[in-house]
Amino acid sequence: LAKTTQPISMDSYEGQEVNITCSHNNIATNDYITWYQQFPSQGPRFIIQGYKTKVTNEVASLFIPADRKSSTLSLPRVSLSDTAVYYCLVGDTGGRRALTFGSGTRLQVQP
Amino acid sequence: GAVVSQHPSWVICKSGTSVKIECRSLDFQATTMFWYRQFPKQSLMLMATSNEGSKATYEQGVEKDKFLINHASLTLSTLTVTSAHPEDSSFYICSASQRLAGRYEQYFGPGTRLTVT
Repeated sequence: LAKTTQPISMDSYEGQEVNITCSHNNIATNDYITWYQQFPSQGPRFIIQGYKTKVTNEVASLFIPADRKSSTLSLPRVSLSDTAVYYCLVGDTGGRRALTFGSGTRLQVQP
Repeated sequence: GAVVSQHPSWVICKSGTSVKIECRSLDFQATTMFWYRQFPKQSLMLMATSNEGSKATYEQGVEKDKFLINHASLTLSTLTVTSAHPEDSSFYICSASQRLAGRYEQYFGPGTRLTVT
């Protein structure tokens, strides 16, 4: 599975837009990019998944450039409840194989 | 969306005893389930892949005789920590794969906090 690199931590304030970038230089042709959110003492929660260009759902947007060597998770107008660890993962077809979790990005939202 | 449950959500046991953790896919069938372990402030580490009707595949460094995995049905996988020691204290998380529209999505359980005293 392609290895990912993301910032260890980020700080933000309520109401701001937060962009978390993930590098995955060795992404394979059939790999999807998936982001998960994890709160303390809970299992990871699926946020968004994409293959190329832009994907948007009710909670986030995912921007993927043409070379797919990186991706950016965008959280609009964060709130205190968005304080969590965010993991970027790449892999083929999303779930047939186990997911390899990197260190994740610890987002702290301040009032 | 698909729901995966775990039982118990937390357990405290004495050193030397065994503990069983259940992972269930509530509204879908999962031929494959995965078990992860997570220590405080660290990321999830895959322990093993559980396949219905066959033996589990363990990651390097994970003792298969200590962490017994049984995937008896398409909706249930169990992880038994045998002869638990304090260093086995951790957060155990399972996940299950579901095929949707030609792709697989993975759903995680809420986790089980194991404390060995």
